[in-house]
Parts: sequence; structure tokens; C-alpha cells
Amino acid sequence: GAGVSQTPSNKVTEKGKYVELRCDPISGHTALYWYRQSLGQGPEFLIYFQGTGAADDSGLPNDRFFAVRPEGSVSTLKIQRTERGDSAVYLCASSLNPQTYNEQFFGPGTRLTVL
Amino acid sequence: LAKTTQPISMDSYEGQEVNITCSHNNIATNDYITWYQQFPSQGPRFIIQGYKTKVTNEVASLFIPADRKSSTLSLPRVSLSDTAVYYCLVGPDTGRRALTFGSGTRLQVQP
Repeated sequence: GAGVSQTPSNKVTEKGKYVELRCDPISGHTALYWYRQSLGQGPEFLIYFQGTGAADDSGLPNDRFFAVRPEGSVSTLKIQRTERGDSAVYLCASSLNPQTYNEQFFGPGTRLTVL
Repeated sequence: LAKTTQPISMDSYEGQEVNITCSHNNIATNDYITWYQQFPSQGPRFIIQGYKTKVTNEVASLFIPADRKSSTLSLPRVSLSDTAVYYCLVGPDTGRRALTFGSGTRLQVQP
């Protein structure tokens, strides 16, 4: 079956612009997560959805970042007024819930570059 | 959340067994130890999880001593394709779902 897919794979934008990053989780996975990974670092948690609602958004760095999952499947991470420091790989993951293990299935990520 | 410490990098040769040790002195009673693998330009992939003693699957073994203050991921007979970053994570299996990654161990396998 298909894994987690993310689009676009690469996004280059200019400082101050708005971007949307899309995540298609594995079919049937009710939990969805967004992470951000900077070069040489491990992924950093941003937000977790259970179904349509954000169960934990404590990792969002500021109010320029927002994510939605209106129908409990596809999710969009939205970044307003992008800054150069937002450049990173944005990873999406999904999992079954309830889950027995801390096993999340990650997509390949979207590499965001803010010029 | 318990802090983890693991080597920044390791080198090995094809066919050797590789052991990566992770320290987690402040592990809590309800914490599990989970290892992920990440190849370049890919998202992390779950390898193995354990609570105590030894866990083995088709990919790796995880050794956890009785005090649980450390754990060792063992990769038998590595190949070039095992070159990746390996992350040790410690946290509860339920409740807060966010995974906390450190900087990981970069394993380079040479021919």
C-alpha cells in the first residue's frame, strides 16, 4: 500500500511570502503529525492531529504557523510571512490510534527554502 | 522527558556487527526505548522498541540492562545500505504522542 506522501517535495520561496505544504497520510491512520528538521538535527515536533482536531500544537514556534486537517485525512501546514529561519525539511507522519508502539510512519518530507 | 545521549558518529565495515549505545539516566518508569533509522532525503523509519531485557526483530536487537539507564541497538552484519542516522528516543508509549528526537548517531559503513 501507499505510504505517507508529501507535496511539493521542494519549495523555494521569498522572505515574507505565504506557503502551504500538503501531507497525505496512510489510509486509515487517524493520527497525523508534523515535524521540522534542520540540517544535522533530528526532527522537531510541531503539531499532532487526532482525527480533525489538533490534539497538541505545543511545538508550533509562533503564530505564523498553522495546520489544518478538515476531513481527518489530508493535512496542510501553512506558514505566513516566511522567514529565512523557516528553511528546513518539513516531515509529516501518521499512525494508527490507539497504537501499541511509538511507531510513526514518516513521509519523505518537503524541503522548504526561504530566500 | 528523559534526555538521551548517544555518539555523534560511528564507522564500521561491511559484515561487522555494530552496537550503538544510548544513555538515558533519567528514564521514567513508564518510558519505553524506541530506535529510528533515517536515510538521506527520507523520513525516519521505526526500527525497534523495548521496555526491558532484550527485544529482537528481523532488523536489529535491542539490549536493555536491568537499571534501564542505557540501551544498545545491535545491527548484525551491516551492509553499505545500513549507512544512516540512528536515533534513540525515550518516552511513554501512550499519552503525549509527539516523538522527541536528539541529534542521533551517524553510522558510516565502509566496504
